[in-house]
Amino acid sequence: GAVVSQHPSRVICKSGTSVKIECRSLDFQATTMFWYRQFPKQSLMLMATSNEGSKATYEQGVEKDKFLINHASLTLSTLTVTSAHPEDSSFYICSAPSDTDTQYFGPGTRLTVL
Amino acid sequence: QQQVKQSPQSLIVQKGGISIINCAYENTAFDYFPWYQQFPGKGPALLIAIRPDVSEKKEGRFTISFNKSAKQFSLHIMDSQPGDSATYFCAASRRNTPLVFGKGTRLSVIA
Repeated sequence: GAVVSQHPSRVICKSGTSVKIECRSLDFQATTMFWYRQFPKQSLMLMATSNEGSKATYEQGVEKDKFLINHASLTLSTLTVTSAHPEDSSFYICSAPSDTDTQYFGPGTRLTVL
Repeated sequence: QQQVKQSPQSLIVQKGGISIINCAYENTAFDYFPWYQQFPGKGPALLIAIRPDVSEKKEGRFTISFNKSAKQFSLHIMDSQPGDSATYFCAASRRNTPLVFGKGTRLSVIA
């Protein structure tokens, strides 16, 4: 199947700093990518839809100024957690739909904010 | 409003047995129903998916059964193995929209 990568896989940062997470579709182009957040032993919660060439669409309750999304190209979307706080610690996962509408997920990024 | 309801929350199956996980959806506009397998600390991996034009799809030991009138679909894992122990998520979506996930089922296959 198609491959989606994420970088970094783990990041530890101090409270108040910003962290950028990259999501790349390695063997297909994706005009849309999705960002999810997952807490331990819970399901995936959609945060936002990243659209190439236009603004991201955020789910209700997700602060767009805190979680900045940039879809710079057809293979790259970035999520920046600005002024991170301990409550932002979570597992962040991106996904990208292929041309057959199958959604492939990245391996996830574990963010820990101290 | 939870659009996709998944059960059971956890499941213990003997090695060689059949694992069955059920999901029900509400939005009749959904036309894509995948199942994902997730190991701790990893992203979800697509197992198998079905569209509403068929009632069953089989890939190896994994089978999806789909009942459009009941708005239900299920995952059957035949000859369950300890390596199948993971969390399984059902999901549903319409074309070009994000997936709506069930809450997950933690499967433990014991020898």
